[in-house]
Amino acid sequence: AAGVIQSPRHLIKEKRETATLKCYPIPRHDTVYWYQQGPGQDPQFLISFYEKMQSDKGSIPDRFSAQQFSDYHSELNMSSLELGDSALYFCASSLRGKGADTQYFGPGTRLTVL
Amino acid sequence: AQKITQTQPGMFVQEKEAVTLDCTYDTSDPSYGLFWYKQPSSGEMIFLIYQGSYDQQNATEGRYSLNFQKARKSANLVISASQLGDSAMYFCAMRVFEGTGGFKTIFGAGTRLFVKA
Repeated sequence: AAGVIQSPRHLIKEKRETATLKCYPIPRHDTVYWYQQGPGQDPQFLISFYEKMQSDKGSIPDRFSAQQFSDYHSELNMSSLELGDSALYFCASSLRGKGADTQYFGPGTRLTVL
Repeated sequence: AQKITQTQPGMFVQEKEAVTLDCTYDTSDPSYGLFWYKQPSSGEMIFLIYQGSYDQQNATEGRYSLNFQKARKSANLVISASQLGDSAMYFCAMRVFEGTGGFKTIFGAGTRLFVKA
């Protein structure tokens, strides 16, 4: 079965640079979520989109923005990168109308800021 | 405050034995969902099992079962017949309605499980 696809899998950037992470949800899933997981920490919810509209907002810094496109893929844009942004960034997708709304996670993008 | 608590930072279990990973939650929302995810050292997050707050029966998925005790607000994960490949970090998560019109999923700190041969 198709899973959530994230690209790139690894990214190295320098401070103050920008980065764009991409997420392709499971086909027919209508909701996309972004999480940030720092080293040794639990995932922290950043933002989600339902049917291409921003749905919920978590602890997403103002330097970050995200959107969901007409083909349901989503991009997380990160500007003025800081050392503390180094983390594993997960995208998850779900089919919201299906009760459990179980989120299926992608493999993650590991961002390293030098 | 809505919170997930996993009190076991690390657990050891002998291969082929059963192990219980603890999870307690706190929410005043009557409708919520509880999830368990497995995160191996490779980093991906793998969905294991789901329990809805209104589900009458405990959820089971193969070797995984969820011991749901609503009155005690606990949702412990039971892994039967542990395998070496079960060694990983396990996260308990809760999905609740935020009240501002949206949903939120919060994770516990995780429990690292080590399966010994």
